[in-house]
Amino acid sequence: GDSVTQMEGPVTLSEEAFLTINCTYTATGYPSLFWYVQYPGEGLQLLLKATKADDKGSNKGFEATYRKETTSFHLEKGSVQVSDSAVYFCALVEKGGSEKLVFGKGTKLTVNP
Amino acid sequence: EADIYQTPRYLVIGTGKKITLECSQTMGHDKMYWYQQDPGMELHLIHYSYGVNSTEKGDLSSESTVSRIRTEHFPLTLESARPSHTSQYLCASSESPGTGSYGYTFGSGTRLTVV
Repeated sequence: GDSVTQMEGPVTLSEEAFLTINCTYTATGYPSLFWYVQYPGEGLQLLLKATKADDKGSNKGFEATYRKETTSFHLEKGSVQVSDSAVYFCALVEKGGSEKLVFGKGTKLTVNP
Repeated sequence: EADIYQTPRYLVIGTGKKITLECSQTMGHDKMYWYQQDPGMELHLIHYSYGVNSTEKGDLSSESTVSRIRTEHFPLTLESARPSHTSQYLCASSESPGTGSYGYTFGSGTRLTVV
């Protein structure tokens, strides 16, 4: 079945550091890919998405590019802030099928001042 | 601003009690979902619905039940709560099938503690 593997955390960075959270996927077709963010005590919010190969999703300084050749969707940010501290989930939806969202296990990011 | 609402946000209840977690959305989405999130953060799909009078079990077996009598409402019920049900429960909805490009909209969650 479809699956998502993302780097294990926790990740701890200093403010203004560069962030990369790796995400790879396994799918039989051509899924849509997403990054969700969960702030403490909250539900999940859509951070960015990409629906086809080579698409780049971006939002709030975060970016991720849909790489079909490496089945990856790594999340990056050039300069993190304390307010970026949260749990980040990579996810996919298989188009045209059940359309259930398949999540990775989440990566907790802590940014220190 | 959230278009999907979950109540209550926090609930502490004794073992054996019956509880219903409420979830409502105002977006007219056909598909709705319930996820259970364990303390290790991992999300498990426990129920989903493709529309009114449609409900399916998810990937993780759950003793809870759901109903979908109205498009906007997707409540989850535990007939007899146990400490093992202590978890965060997240409700979500998505647009009609066919594209898979919209992702899900999530509520803020209900954190349930059974003592």
